Amino acid sequence: GQSLEQPSEVTAVEGAIVQINCTYQTSGFYGLSWYQQHDGGAPTFLSYNALDGLEETGRFSSFLSRSDSYGYLLLQELQMKDSASYFCAVEDSNYQLIWGAGTKLIIKP
Amino acid sequence: EAQVTQNPRYLITVTGKKLTVTCSQNMNHEYMSWYRQDPGLGLRQIYYSMNVEVTDKGDVPEGYKVSRKEKRNFPLILESPSPNQTSLYFCASSLLGPVRVGNEQYFGPGTRLTVT
Repeated sequence: GQSLEQPSEVTAVEGAIVQINCTYQTSGFYGLSWYQQHDGGAPTFLSYNALDGLEETGRFSSFLSRSDSYGYLLLQELQMKDSASYFCAVEDSNYQLIWGAGTKLIIKP
Repeated sequence: EAQVTQNPRYLITVTGKKLTVTCSQNMNHEYMSWYRQDPGLGLRQIYYSMNVEVTDKGDVPEGYKVSRKEKRNFPLILESPSPNQTSLYFCASSLLGPVRVGNEQYFGPGTRLTVT
């Protein structure tokens, strides 16, 4: 079956760096996306990786290794407003978007 | 303002009473999709549409119907709702495919449905 695995919860301190991992097993792979969702809100797009390597967007970076079926989201200089759930998602060969169950990021002052 | 709208935002209904959740986008996007979100399960795709009159099943299509008669609208229909369809529903759209060439998906605000 198709699956994406990510930790259910991660805790970090304000100002620190945190990495959220995602491993996937899908039929086909076109890209790995990351979304952020605050409680009660809609998911919002953060980043996308189609090729191996690191993509940087401000305080957020995303990494992909297709040979390892693995990616991660790196959040730097954590702020309290970064407290949210983070989802990885993979598009498979059937145009379906397969989502991980989400990682709840808890930030402590 | 570029956006995806859904209505209603909240709905409580009874088993078997047909309902429709509307979704509309004003960004001229080709691709639209419906998801349901349940605790611990993340987002699961119900149906998606690559263009007008083209719809396909996602991961969990049972009990749902969709139509895409116009580019901007993609309603979700529950012909005979059951309690296991109680969930948070999101509509989303993107310019082309879901993530190819990095097309981000824009999500509506969500519809919280309770079926008793």
